[in-house]
Amino acid sequence: NAGVMQNPRHLVRRRGQEARLRCSPMKGHSHVYWYRQLPEEGLKFMVYLQKENIIDESGMPKERFSAEFPKEGPSILRIQQVVRGDSAAYFCASSLGASGTFGDEQYFGPGTRLTVT
Amino acid sequence: DQQVKQNSPSLSVQEGRISILNCDYTNSMFDYFLWYKKYPAEGPTFLISISSIKDKNEDGRFTVFLNKSAKHLSLHIVPSQPGDSAVYFCAASAYDYKLSFGAGTTVTVRA
Repeated sequence: NAGVMQNPRHLVRRRGQEARLRCSPMKGHSHVYWYRQLPEEGLKFMVYLQKENIIDESGMPKERFSAEFPKEGPSILRIQQVVRGDSAAYFCASSLGASGTFGDEQYFGPGTRLTVT
Repeated sequence: DQQVKQNSPSLSVQEGRISILNCDYTNSMFDYFLWYKKYPAEGPTFLISISSIKDKNEDGRFTVFLNKSAKHLSLHIVPSQPGDSAVYFCAASAYDYKLSFGAGTTVTVRA
C-alpha cells in the first residue's frame, strides 16, 4: 500500500534552468495538492488538481510556475527559469475525495527539496 | 501573512510527562483545525483534527482543545514517549482543501 511518492527527493538547479517535480498520489486518489515550505515558515497551498483539471491555482505565483495532472502518469509541478527565492521544500498531498468538509484528510509525500544555486 | 502561528519553535519534555503545543490563528473564517506530525525526510502525517463546533477531541494519548473566542488551539500529548519526538504542525482551513500551516514546533522527548 504505497503512500504518496515524490521524485526527485533533492533537486539542484542553477538560476535560469527549469525544475520539474513529480508526484504520484496514493492508489485510488484522484485529488492532488501542492504546497511549498520556505525556510522557517509553514507549508503554503499552491494548487489543487484533479485528473486533467486545475481546480484552484490561487496559491501559485503568476509567472514561471505551472502544474498539471494528466490522465496517465504523475502530477508535475514545473518551475521555469528558477531563481534563488524558489529554493524550498515542495510537498505534494493527495486525497480520496475533496478534502475538508467530507472528512478526507490529505496524505502528504516526503517532499522535494529544491536548491537553486 | 501568517494566518496560523506557532510561537514556540521547540519544546523539550521528559518521557512520561505531558507535552503541550500551542497554536494561534487570525482568520475567523477557519472552522476546521488539524495537527500533523513530521519526521525528518518524511512528509507530514495527519494526527488529529477538530471542528469548530467542538471544543475538545481526544484520540488515545492525543487531545486537541479549541478556544474559538481566543482563536487558540492546543495539542496535549500524555504521556510523552520517545517516538513522539518530531516536528508538529498546526493547520487550519475554512472547511475546504486549502490548509494553512504554522511554522511547526520541534518536540524532543528526553529519556
